[in-house]
Amino acid sequence: DVKVTQSSRYLVKRTGEKVFLECVQDMDHENMFWYRQDPGLGLRLIYFSYDVKMKEKGDIPEGYSVSREKKERFSLILESASTNQTSMYLCASSPPSGLIGNEQFFGPGTRLTVL
Amino acid sequence: GENVEQHPSTLSVQEGDSAVIKCTYSDSASNYFPWYKQELGKRPQLIIDIRSNVGEKKDQRIAVTLNKTAKHFSLHITETQPEDSAVYFCAAGGAISNFGNEKLTFGTGTRLTIIP
Repeated sequence: DVKVTQSSRYLVKRTGEKVFLECVQDMDHENMFWYRQDPGLGLRLIYFSYDVKMKEKGDIPEGYSVSREKKERFSLILESASTNQTSMYLCASSPPSGLIGNEQFFGPGTRLTVL
Repeated sequence: GENVEQHPSTLSVQEGDSAVIKCTYSDSASNYFPWYKQELGKRPQLIIDIRSNVGEKKDQRIAVTLNKTAKHFSLHITETQPEDSAVYFCAAGGAISNFGNEKLTFGTGTRLTIIP
């Protein structure tokens, strides 16, 4: 069974703070993803990584950065948190898909509130 | 980039009836179309997927159809049960471009409520 875990279920931070969200997967997956989920907007891709130290911007990367120093761990960083970053953050992982997409396995999510 | 539209945003169905959720996509190069179910307070989980080389796929009460020419795909749930109540997301991916084949673009979700 694929297991994707996230460091916190709930997080409350203040405007301007630096925030780290951590994600760990135990299935040796090459790909890892960070999404944010907002009502009526679905899941929007922030960043993804296809290998250690490799990253690609998603659809909404502004205000975020990522780090992948080890294959199993993918971190999302909010350099200076703002209230419009209050959201549910979901991490996912998947094996390489070859020429066609593949199933993504999600973590339980971190609900971040920025005051 | 890819754009996925999903309708309806909410759907209420009498228990035992069928439910249909529809999605359209914009990138003709997309070739992988999964559906995820997210129960309240839980993570999204894959329930069924279809690849572009087939037009329909079934798994018990769930089926997905794909029309590549029209660029739309649909989820069909028959004999609905209370445990089918959840938010359902469609997605499109697999387009080959700078690791784009690894990405999924999700629809905005459909909240399905089964009325007992």
